Amino acid sequence: EAGVTQFPSHSVIEKGQTVTLRCDPISGHDNLYWYRRVMGKEIKFLLHFVKESKQDESGMPNNRFLAERTGGTYSTLKVQPAELEDSGVYFCASSWGLRTDTQYFGPGTRLTVL
Amino acid sequence: AQKVTQAQTEISVVEKEDVTLDCVYETRDTTYYLFWYKQPPSGELVFLIRRNSFDEQNEISGRYSWNFQKSTSSFNFTITASQVVDSAVYFCALSRVRGGSQGNLIFGKGTKLSVKP
Repeated sequence: EAGVTQFPSHSVIEKGQTVTLRCDPISGHDNLYWYRRVMGKEIKFLLHFVKESKQDESGMPNNRFLAERTGGTYSTLKVQPAELEDSGVYFCASSWGLRTDTQYFGPGTRLTVL
Repeated sequence: AQKVTQAQTEISVVEKEDVTLDCVYETRDTTYYLFWYKQPPSGELVFLIRRNSFDEQNEISGRYSWNFQKSTSSFNFTITASQVVDSAVYFCALSRVRGGSQGNLIFGKGTKLSVKP
């Protein structure tokens, strides 16, 4: 069974540009999460989808971040326009039906904003 | 508020030594889950264990063992006879079972373990 995949693995962009990160969850997982780790800090929750619906986006830092989950399958996280402080590693995780089910993570996307 | 503290930033041991990674958590909830994840150099977070707050039994899986002490709010992880392949960053995490932010993981800062041959 394929795990959670994320694309790209690395992205280097300039301040003010737009970047879109993609996550493909484990097949059949209803829950999809986005997390972020900025340099030297904890991994922090960004938002949670159940199928195609946003359940909790309390961790999204500001309105420059937009997440979607098309048809309850893959998800994208767009940053527009990117700022220097957006640099970090963005992780995606998925889990089965319950919110308390174990989350399985992808390899992350390392975003560098210059 | 919930919080997870991993006081050890980096640990270095020689192969075959035993090593314990500390995790202390804060929560007012009576029911919660605790987790350990491993992040090898390849970058992905690998799930190791999930423990329900009602289950205080220690767990052993091969060379790995976990000691859950509710009285001290700790969930420590011990690797026995460490190997070079154990080198990674290890994260402890907490999640709520009920209420707002249910299921969202709250992570510690991680402990980087280096096992030298």
